[in-house]
Amino acid sequence: AQRVTQPEKLLSVFKGAPVELKCNYSYSGSPELFWYVQYSRQRLQLLLRHISRESIKGFTADLNKGETSFHLKKPFAQEEDSAMYYCALSLTNAGGTSYGKLTFGQGTILTVHP
Amino acid sequence: KAGVTQTPRYLIKTRGQQVTLSCSPISGHRSVSWYQQTPGQGLQFLFEYFSETQRNKGNFPGRFSGRQFSNSRSEMNVSTLELGDSALYLCASSLATGTGGEDGYTFGSGTRLTVV
Repeated sequence: AQRVTQPEKLLSVFKGAPVELKCNYSYSGSPELFWYVQYSRQRLQLLLRHISRESIKGFTADLNKGETSFHLKKPFAQEEDSAMYYCALSLTNAGGTSYGKLTFGQGTILTVHP
Repeated sequence: KAGVTQTPRYLIKTRGQQVTLSCSPISGHRSVSWYQQTPGQGLQFLFEYFSETQRNKGNFPGRFSGRQFSNSRSEMNVSTLELGDSALYLCASSLATGTGGEDGYTFGSGTRLTVV
């Protein structure tokens, strides 16, 4: 069965410091990985998906199939980055179709201090 | 474009009752997924509907059911409510033509269900 692990429940950094939120997954097939973010009193929203290889709000994430990791990184954290971050995995079949199911990690609360 | 709309925002029900929650997806999105979010278990997948058919189901008891209408709107129903069903119920919509399309899965604000 697929599993997503976010080892840090809480992460605190100071403004301007680099930040890395860890995510490891277990699945032998072709996963698609996402990072979702939930700011205070807002809905869960997509931050990154690995196939797009974009940088959103300064965040990047690289899928490492050898280490089965998808860590989220930002070189200089900002106070507005304080939020709950979820790593999620979506299964795909050989045709690249998802099954509509996301498996989420437990989330990491990031706090950026001024 | 309008986002995913869930109604109602809050519900208080008594043990043993049943409840129906509604989700209107983004226009053009044909897949609707439902999730339960609790402090202890986090976000857990309930089921997914596409073109009025349930394509995938999570590990929840049969008291949890859902359906999707021809306009892609979806409802989920929980019968014989238990205290442990208190949670935030989220729905997400996607294009479902591949891996959620360019926008991935878009979530609604959720329905907060409290069972007393």
